[in-house]
Amino acid sequence: NAGVTQTPKFQVLKTGQSMTLQCAQDMNHNSMYWYRQDPGMGLRLIYYSASEGTTDKGEVPNGYNVSRLNKREFSLRLESAAPSQTSVYFCASTRGGELFFGEGSRLTVL
Amino acid sequence: GENVEQHPSTLSVQEGDSAVIKCTYSDSASNYFPWYKQELGKGSQLIIDIRSNVGEKKDQRIAVTLNKTAKHFSLHITETQPEDSAVYFCAAPRITGANSKLTFGKGITLSVRP
Repeated sequence: NAGVTQTPKFQVLKTGQSMTLQCAQDMNHNSMYWYRQDPGMGLRLIYYSASEGTTDKGEVPNGYNVSRLNKREFSLRLESAAPSQTSVYFCASTRGGELFFGEGSRLTVL
Repeated sequence: GENVEQHPSTLSVQEGDSAVIKCTYSDSASNYFPWYKQELGKGSQLIIDIRSNVGEKKDQRIAVTLNKTAKHFSLHITETQPEDSAVYFCAAPRITGANSKLTFGKGITLSVRP
């Protein structure tokens, strides 16, 4: 049982480049989330999707877009990367309030 | 919205000793309080949670206590072991009733010295 799978695990971008982080879950969960984790800041919610076809902004949505492609997949896109988006990104899905996290994607923007 | 703070930010204990991590929250209507553990290079995992209708919950060496009056809840780990070394996050719902939309604390790094 793979759980929540994120790709890529590591990525280096130049300022202004775009990229998409992919996330897939095989637990048949309705809700999915994208968080970013920065030193001394904890986990902050970027976007979430309560169900297939819906997305909503979290605490720090600026500079990001998301797509809930189907029930399994929820992608996060950076259209024009900035150094402030250097972070570790975590995708999660939920059942009954418990969040199940992927292993993270470390993104560096130069 | 909810504001969640953890104290201290780092904690070092001797193997076998107990560790206590405290978390405060701001919204008196919050009713769900989970603790997540993040091991190095991994995603966070739920280790224990408590709802506002109880004051304490235990699961083997781990317990969580809740003080609604003071708006704080604490994680207690007894007989600590090296594998308890990790970052621990407390959380509370950003919106009352939406228990999966959480505001997380900044995390505490627990080090267990062998």
